[in-house]
Amino acid sequence: GIQVEQSPPDLILQEGANSTLRCNFSDSVNNLQWFHQNPWGQLINLFYIPSGTKQNGRLSATTVATERYSLLYISSSQTTDSGVYFCAVNTGGFKTIFGAGTRLFVKA
Amino acid sequence: ETGVTQTPRHLVMGMTNKKSLKCEQHLGHNAMYWYKQSAKKPLELMFVYNFKEQTENNSVPSRFSPECPNSSHLFLHLHTLQPEDSALYLCASSRSPGQDYYEQYFGPGTRLTVT
Repeated sequence: GIQVEQSPPDLILQEGANSTLRCNFSDSVNNLQWFHQNPWGQLINLFYIPSGTKQNGRLSATTVATERYSLLYISSSQTTDSGVYFCAVNTGGFKTIFGAGTRLFVKA
Repeated sequence: ETGVTQTPRHLVMGMTNKKSLKCEQHLGHNAMYWYKQSAKKPLELMFVYNFKEQTENNSVPSRFSPECPNSSHLFLHLHTLQPEDSALYLCASSRSPGQDYYEQYFGPGTRLTVT
């Protein structure tokens, strides 16, 4: 089955810093989502981005489907950005595969 | 209420108990999902229902029994669980694959502890 790899696994930032999170996938995908899981466990939808580039405030994402990767950019990080960021892909049907996540801690 | 809701938010049960988790979605979706998230592991898909019919069972032990009475409600019945079943159980909903904008939305989860 498809493999989804996220990097880095852990990231510590000083408040105000920028960062790039990466998601590589081993096969063609129909769709791709980025989520932020807050410390209480809630998964928050960030982007639905099977291809192209989207921006939402300080966050933006780019998926290059032909090269099988997606990037999530966080600019001017805040302590509330802390948590785990997941990439999830779907290759058709109902089965969605999640990566292992990037655990982000933003220091004040 | 909006989005996807789950009850209870926390549950502690003994290995001989029977309990149920409930999920409700208010998004007009047709598909609903149960995921398990154990410590230090990625989310694992357990079951999928589409228009109330089960379409995925990811080799889940029979001590977990799902029920989907309609497209808005999903239950997970638990009985004779093991301590390793302690985890965060997440419910999600979406449109059906093949429709435009197939995006999953998650509930807040039920944190289950089996003693």
